[in-house]
Amino acid sequence: SAVISQKPSRDICQRGTSLTIQCQVDSQVTMMFWYRQQPGQSLTLIATANQGSEATYESGFVIDKFPISRPNLTFSTLTVSNMSPEDSSIYLCSVEDGGGEPVGYGYTFGSGTRLTVV
Amino acid sequence: GQSLEQPSEVTAVEGAIVQINCTYQTSGFYGLSWYQQHDGGAPTFLSYNALDGLEETGRFSSFLSRSDSYGYLLLQELQMKDSASYFCAVRSPGNTGKLIFGQGTTLQVKP
Repeated sequence: SAVISQKPSRDICQRGTSLTIQCQVDSQVTMMFWYRQQPGQSLTLIATANQGSEATYESGFVIDKFPISRPNLTFSTLTVSNMSPEDSSIYLCSVEDGGGEPVGYGYTFGSGTRLTVV
Repeated sequence: GQSLEQPSEVTAVEGAIVQINCTYQTSGFYGLSWYQQHDGGAPTFLSYNALDGLEETGRFSSFLSRSDSYGYLLLQELQMKDSASYFCAVRSPGNTGKLIFGQGTTLQVKP
């Protein structure tokens, strides 16, 4: 399965500032997914990052707040902009193993970025 | 849209068997997956069912009934290290590749 390196693992940020989270995958993947997990909650998909095109955002998430870059098939960044305490969460990137075939392969997640906004 | 329901908490003792249920509603179905997440860790893939029946992987098994839109994760010979959150998930229809998660079940294993 794929191996994902996610940075930073945690950060404490001042409100109004921005943080960029990076994910590097050890293999080429078509789609990368960014999730948010608020304390004690499930994972909520923020957006899908596709190489060569704009990211696709889920309802409730906008590009101005969560700009995403996908410069190549192994790398993506998510920026959390103009942060407020409500943005305090764990942010995770993910890829689908198995070459995109929905036939029994799982998804691999990065180790997560634990963000605290003060 | 897709929605999944699972119990919020389950408690069991070491050595016991526990079953975590998941019911789902989807506009299309591409299989039911299970993920484990320890506190502070990333979700890790446990199992996947596309067809009805039981899939076994060591101490963990997963079952699916498509006609009932229902599945479960069965954990046998529980160990303390099994204390974690368990999420069922379905793949969004179409070519989006999106994974939609249930709210998660926190399993506490007691000595």
